[in-house]
Amino acid sequence: GENVEQHPSTLSVQEGDSAVIKCTYSDSASNYFPWYKQELGKRPQLIIDIRSNVGEKKDQRIAVTLNKTAKHFSLHITETQPEDSAVYFCAAGSGNTGKLIFGQGTTLQVKP
Amino acid sequence: DTEVTQTPKHLVMGMTNKKSLKCEQHMGHRAMYWYKQKAKKPPELMFVYSYEKLSINESVPSRFSPECPNSSLLNLHLHALQPEDSALYLCASSQDRDYEQYFGPGTRLTVT
Repeated sequence: GENVEQHPSTLSVQEGDSAVIKCTYSDSASNYFPWYKQELGKRPQLIIDIRSNVGEKKDQRIAVTLNKTAKHFSLHITETQPEDSAVYFCAAGSGNTGKLIFGQGTTLQVKP
Repeated sequence: DTEVTQTPKHLVMGMTNKKSLKCEQHMGHRAMYWYKQKAKKPPELMFVYSYEKLSINESVPSRFSPECPNSSLLNLHLHALQPEDSALYLCASSQDRDYEQYFGPGTRLTVT
């Protein structure tokens, strides 16, 4: 069935370093890839997304890359700050169903 | 109004109770969603409504009954729940089914 694998499950970096989270999806029909940040006790917050007709998208310190052939997409955070500490979820959506399959999440800890 | 709101924030109910969760958005979005999230897990899709019609039911047990009274409101009626149904119930909305989904703050449900 449809599946999204996300790695690593935990990631600890020093403030100012970069962080990279990787996801792999199985459904070839997937064409929409959002990333959500969820702080403890808060709602998932959409931080960036990419569609299958684009290979890379950047928004300030955050970037997402997509390799459709390999069915990989990644989140890159540069110049990490303690407030970036949270759980990050990738997801894949296909067609116009509205159905998102989420990865298992990555707990990012940024040490001051 | 640019947010999805949910009430109540917390709910404790017995296995014989009937209760309802409410979700509201005033962004003119035509797709609305219910998700279930267990601790340290990703959101799991339950239902998708598009233009006030149910378009996806992810094989959810009938003790969960969704309702979309109008384009701004989404309810989830609960009856005869089990303790394992205790979770954070998240509502989300999007402009249409293939657009960005924005989450509400969730209702923390405990079934005793």
